[in-house]
Amino acid sequence: DAKTTQPPSMDCAEGRAANLPCNHSTISGNEYVYWYRQIHSQGPQYIIHGLKNNETNEMASLIITEDRKSSTLILPHATLRDTAVYYCIVRRWGKLTFGQGTILTVHP
Amino acid sequence: GAVVSQHPSWVICKSGTSVKIECRSLDFQATTMFWYRQFPKQSLMLMATSNEGSKATYEQGVEKDKFLINHASLTLSTLTVTSAHPEDSSFYICSATPGLAANTGELFFGEGSRLTVL
Repeated sequence: DAKTTQPPSMDCAEGRAANLPCNHSTISGNEYVYWYRQIHSQGPQYIIHGLKNNETNEMASLIITEDRKSSTLILPHATLRDTAVYYCIVRRWGKLTFGQGTILTVHP
Repeated sequence: GAVVSQHPSWVICKSGTSVKIECRSLDFQATTMFWYRQFPKQSLMLMATSNEGSKATYEQGVEKDKFLINHASLTLSTLTVTSAHPEDSSFYICSATPGLAANTGELFFGEGSRLTVL
């Protein structure tokens, strides 16, 4: 199983960049890294995904190391509404298997 | 983005009854849907993969006779919790993807359905 490892919690000041790390050392060559977030009692919200190149969209940037064993999700200007659980997932056989994620708390 | 809708959002039932939860893809055809459950303060646990027109594939430890999944059309999958008991109380979430499940493309999640069994 392409398990991921994330810190259980992180803090970030409002307006600053939030950098969320993820280790996925057993990832295989054709497996993508996905990031979702979940706000309490809601379904997960898609953020971004990538294979080996860095990706950017209106929500975030995804930086994947050259050996693909780790990645970082960057929220460039965190707001209070970005407080959530962030999940880094390696998609295998089409499925997303969630780990424990990182609780990101954005404070004023 | 694409929308996946679940119904009901929350349901309370008596122990021993069966409860059906619907998952609909509103603006795309979902060949594959996934069902998850989530207990308080825990992560999502994948229960099963549902492919339109075929039997669902259940994850290890998930009772297929307890959690009946039907994916009869390209826009609808249902999860029926049979003979529900208090330990089945949980947050049930579905996700859907256009086309066959692959390792790329976006999976869209529903808002979740909270089941409370008395």
